[in-house]
Parts: sequence; C-alpha cells; structure tokens
Amino acid sequence: EAGVAQSPRYKIIEKRQSVAFWCNPISGHATLYWYQQILGQGPKLLIQFQNNGVVDDSQLPKDRFSAERLKGVDSTLKIQPAKLEDSAVYLCASTYGGSEQYFGPGTRLTVT
Amino acid sequence: QKEVEQDPGPLSVPEGAIVSLNCTYSNSAFQYFMWYRQYSRKGPELLMYTYSSGNKEDGRFTAQVDKSSKYISLFIRDSQPSDSATYLCAMKDAGGTSYGKLTFGQGTILTVHP
Repeated sequence: EAGVAQSPRYKIIEKRQSVAFWCNPISGHATLYWYQQILGQGPKLLIQFQNNGVVDDSQLPKDRFSAERLKGVDSTLKIQPAKLEDSAVYLCASTYGGSEQYFGPGTRLTVT
Repeated sequence: QKEVEQDPGPLSVPEGAIVSLNCTYSNSAFQYFMWYRQYSRKGPELLMYTYSSGNKEDGRFTAQVDKSSKYISLFIRDSQPSDSATYLCAMKDAGGTSYGKLTFGQGTILTVHP
C-alpha cells in the first residue's frame, strides 16, 4: 500500500512570498489532516477535511493560510504572504474511519 | 498551561538500557492515547495505541496509561541504536467536531549509543 505522498520535500522562500504544498493521501482515506510542526515542538493541527468538506480549521491562520481538497482526494495548503514564523515542517496525514493516522514525510519550509 | 506536557529531553542512554518516556495532560476529555516515533526528516509513525488505563505490551515497548493521574508512559526495554528518534505522545477525545484531532506533546529526543 502506497503511503501519504507530499511535495515538495523542501522549500525556501523570502518573507511575503507565497508557497503551496501538495498532499496525496492513502487511497480510500476519507479524512485528511494538515499539521504544522515547528522545530522542537510537536505537530499542531491546522485543518481537517472529511472528504472535501472542512471539519476543523480553528487553528488555521485564515488571513494568510488556505487549504482545499478537491474531489475528496488530493489537497493543497497555501500560505500567502509568508512570515518568518511560518518556517516549519508541514505534515499531511490521512485516516480511514478515524483510527490510525498515517503521516507523510512532510514539507520543510524555510522563510528568510 | 499546555494541554499536553512532555519532557523534551534530550535523553541519552547506553544500548540495552530501559527507557522511560512520560507525558501529562490536563484535558479530561482525552480518551485515546498514542505514542509516535519520528526519525529525522521523516513523518511520525504510530508505535502504540491505547484506550483504557493500564498497560499494553508490544515487543520491547510497553505503554502505560493512568487516567486518574492524567499521566501516560512509554517504556522501551533492551534499547537499540535504531530506537534513536524523537518520541511524541498524542491524545484525542472521543467525539464531537474535533473527532480524530490529535494533540501532541512536544516530543522527547532519544539517543541510544552503542
């Protein structure tokens, strides 16, 4: 079974630029999560999708972050404009039926 | 106060040692408890998943939950250099709109040296 795929793996941008991350969950997994993991901290949930509907986006900074999940499969997370404090690893995870969450390798973002 | 507190370490032990990792939590709604292992530049992978208070064993790993004290532990017996990683505790409640949402501790960095 293929795992959760994410791209790009690394991205370096200047502050105020925009960036987008892509996630392809495990086939058949209806629930998809985006987490932000700042260096030295545990992952923090940004947004949760059930199929292509948003379940929880309470911790998403909506003035600069947006996410979508078209057709209930792939998802993209966008930051515009980026700030220095957005430097982190962005992890995508998926699950079937709310059980174990499977994580992708993450996208490491550096904002200079 | 953070919902989940975890000693970040770092923790350095010799091969073969018993390792104890711990988390405390404040949210009584947490009903499911997990331990994830995260190697450098990789995503977290699930090690243990428990629901009830008590112990759960899986090979060299034992997860312990004490809901009355809001305290969970992970024990690693006969630790190996390949166990060197960051260990994250994670918790979730049983339902509501936050169903499935994991709340993580900050992770403990473990190094097992030969």
